[in-house]
Amino acid sequence: QVQLQESGPGLVKPSETLSLTCTVSGGSITTDYWSWIRQPPGKGLEWIGYIYYTGSVDNNPSLRSRVSISVDTAKNQFSLRLTSVTAADTAVYYCAKHRDSLVHDSFDIWGQGRMVTVSS
Amino acid sequence: DIQMTQSPSSLSASVGDRVTITCQATQDISIYLNWYQQKPGKAPTLLIYEASTLKAGVPSRFSGSGSGTRFTFTIGGLQPEDIATYYCQQYDSLPLTFGGGTKVDLK
Repeated sequence: QVQLQESGPGLVKPSETLSLTCTVSGGSITTDYWSWIRQPPGKGLEWIGYIYYTGSVDNNPSLRSRVSISVDTAKNQFSLRLTSVTAADTAVYYCAKHRDSLVHDSFDIWGQGRMVTVSS
Repeated sequence: DIQMTQSPSSLSASVGDRVTITCQATQDISIYLNWYQQKPGKAPTLLIYEASTLKAGVPSRFSGSGSGTRFTFTIGGLQPEDIATYYCQQYDSLPLTFGGGTKVDLK
């Protein structure tokens, strides 16, 4: 059974870069599409972007200029970088697996989430 | 972007009640609609995909229907463990988008 685990700093200063990594265990990162999704405290879910093991990516236009998603197949990990963060980027960040190996898909496995607070 | 509007935003019901949530899309998304359950402090879990297909292992009291722009999610008989927030999500086109959520609690 595939499991996902987010890791990275829980506190980031305004204007700096948020960096998170998702480690895939129990399966290979080369078999599926993988996404980042975030949830501000008390609010709904926002899709950030996806990546395939080949490096094919796409991001939400609302964040596109600030988002970078990358993959490390040797480590079975994929990562998120979000630049120039503000308080509005404070959220729980989830990594998730696409259910049917498609870009347009549902998310059948989620990490437990990583709370990231943007504050000086 | 396709906007997803859920209603109601919250509801209170008794154990055994039939609970219905609707999700409306701003354009035709065929059957490319998922439903998730999220309990406090936890990640969402997928319940239904392709508008009406129950994920393996999900209790049969959960069901979904609809196509095009209007979708319905139903809990056939509310159980205490169903207290959660429910989200719809479209996957017809990028960016993938979610509804605002429906919080279900016990009356």
